[in-house]
Amino acid sequence: ETGVTQTPRHLVMGMTNKKSLKCEQHLGHNAMYWYKQSAKKPLELMFVYNFKEQTENNSVPSRFSPECPNSSHLFLHLHTLQPEDSALYLCASSQDATSGNEQFFGPGTRLTVL
Amino acid sequence: GEDVEQSLFLSVREGDSSVINCTYTDSSSTYLYWYKQEPGAGLQLLTYIFSNMDMKQDQRLTVLLNKKDKHLSLRIADTQTGDSAIYFCAESTLTGGGNKLTFGTGTQLKVEL
Repeated sequence: ETGVTQTPRHLVMGMTNKKSLKCEQHLGHNAMYWYKQSAKKPLELMFVYNFKEQTENNSVPSRFSPECPNSSHLFLHLHTLQPEDSALYLCASSQDATSGNEQFFGPGTRLTVL
Repeated sequence: GEDVEQSLFLSVREGDSSVINCTYTDSSSTYLYWYKQEPGAGLQLLTYIFSNMDMKQDQRLTVLLNKKDKHLSLRIADTQTGDSAIYFCAESTLTGGGNKLTFGTGTQLKVEL
């Protein structure tokens, strides 16, 4: 595996379900990011982790819970979501979060909340 | 705060040049990026420009930066059908939490035969 991978690629869940999105990067980077991409809206940065420490939470509702056990893995735990949370969730990584380094993106998880 | 704006659609004929425009508001941007997103895929970095430059050329791609007007453009020469995608402009600024990318809404480029 190379680059940034995300699983699952597609997820359909009910509002009462609990699910998790997984991201893994094989680039030796130290920063990882979660973004939300909704139709006709700019990408919204959700969370930033730098060297496993969360450095940014962009006012994300608590029904989204990130976890970064090591620099290569990032999870997004989902609980009691709303239909408006349906979107493409993109993970990215970069060398670190403190300089203007390029962010490499995964293919995303297409989430549908019924 | 930061705000990045792009037009939503652009249609060009194959072989013509495409010019995708972007405006941003944060004058402290360090880098400005162009990303490409094909259907069902994540974002792929195409090119970037440092904020103290005004032009960068990379094969068929030319980036122009007018820092005074906070205007960024991406020119694709000899546009091909494979260039059909959504193009995102993004600015990079340093915040307390580190380097932050702010993206535009994306411009859907359609290349017609």
